[in-house]
Amino acid sequence: GAGVSQTPSNKVTEKGKYVELRCDPISGHTALYWYRQSLGQGPEFLIYFQGTGAADDSGLPNDRFFAVRPEGSVSTLKIQRTERGDSAVYLCASSLTPGGPMNTEAFFGQGTRLTVV
Amino acid sequence: ELKVEQNPLFLSMQEGKNYTIYCNYSTTSDRLYWYRQDPGKSLESLFVLLSNGAVKQEGRLMASLDTKARLSTLHITAAVHDLSATYFCAGISGGSNYKLTFGKGTLLTVNP
Repeated sequence: GAGVSQTPSNKVTEKGKYVELRCDPISGHTALYWYRQSLGQGPEFLIYFQGTGAADDSGLPNDRFFAVRPEGSVSTLKIQRTERGDSAVYLCASSLTPGGPMNTEAFFGQGTRLTVV
Repeated sequence: ELKVEQNPLFLSMQEGKNYTIYCNYSTTSDRLYWYRQDPGKSLESLFVLLSNGAVKQEGRLMASLDTKARLSTLHITAAVHDLSATYFCAGISGGSNYKLTFGKGTLLTVNP
């Protein structure tokens, strides 16, 4: 497809379980971002990849959260020992390059709604 | 650390009326973005404002940027029901060229 694809669209898990959320960026986009959107809030930055490496993971809330992008395309956000407070919509976005003055617009996927019960 | 505040957070308006959504930000932001989000959908980019005094228009929406006042506005002209959505503004943190900081969003409902 032409856009950023995220799977699953919805995920319900029990507290304490491990989950993986997948993001397929737009083909050719080297920059990939994960954001988290809690109910009634704007998205909050989690992590940024340039190619295969995590260039900035300063937004990850704690060490239960981890993300990979081994081949510089698909990315997986992994959450260990999930807690109810992790419930949110996890958004992925990609851009041709990191933001610059020539408008490297970030395109967002539809998100994965994670519910921890 | 960049902080972005939008107001109002909720806006109910009648079709045909005009209104403005305000976005204040706390420190220098290289660019200012406006996004639209429909329920259950992804964020759709509406405008990118790059410099002081920038004004962009698309249909019934017009966005402007005043970097001295650290203020961006999204003006809605003659609203129609199809504009009902949540609108977010976002800035780019001065120390990076990629990290978007979003406001809480304005939930706009346009009533017939």
